[in-house]
Amino acid sequence: LAKTTQPISMDSYEGQEVNITCSHNNIATNDYITWYQQFPSQGPRFIIQGYKTKVTNEVASLFIPADRKSSTLSLPRVSLSDTAVYYCLVGEANAGKSTFGDGTTLTVKP
Amino acid sequence: EADIYQTPRYLVIGTGKKITLECSQTMGHDKMYWYQQDPGMELHLIHYSYGVNSTEKGDLSSESTVSRIRTEHFPLTLESARPSHTSQYLCASSEYGTGGIKYGYTFGSGTRLTVV
Repeated sequence: LAKTTQPISMDSYEGQEVNITCSHNNIATNDYITWYQQFPSQGPRFIIQGYKTKVTNEVASLFIPADRKSSTLSLPRVSLSDTAVYYCLVGEANAGKSTFGDGTTLTVKP
Repeated sequence: EADIYQTPRYLVIGTGKKITLECSQTMGHDKMYWYQQDPGMELHLIHYSYGVNSTEKGDLSSESTVSRIRTEHFPLTLESARPSHTSQYLCASSEYGTGGIKYGYTFGSGTRLTVV
């Protein structure tokens, strides 16, 4: 499993766009990049997944450069309810167990 | 909307008691997992299963045991609870999907265990 590196914490204000970058230099050809969100006392929740270029859904965008050694989760116009821990996971499509790492604690301020 | 259920949600129990944390999923996933997480800390994998009658220990050593007799059920048992077992226990399942999502975890809401 590819090791990932994320910032430990980030602060933002309501209405701003937030970009969280994850480094995964050892990503393998078959690996997908998946981001999860976790609120206190809850399990992580799937946000978005991608393989290359750009993926967008109703809550976020995921940017992946051509070399795939990093990825950026973009949250448009964050609100207080987006305060959570965000995890970047890299693994094969049919992978089993994964290591979530420390994640990035995003704090959105009013 | 959760398709993976954990009970109880909260449990306070005395030292030395035997406990079983229940986890069930209705999605037919073959792969299931137990993670342990202390407040503000990372998730640690303690057990996983890739199918019926298959169980493995995870990255973090745990005194708990698991069983997988049915696809949908993956209970975790502590034979003799101790204060050091106080933590949140999260159950998850995963699949190799089709369409847009190739692979992803679905987590339960967790069991907050306190051993006094």
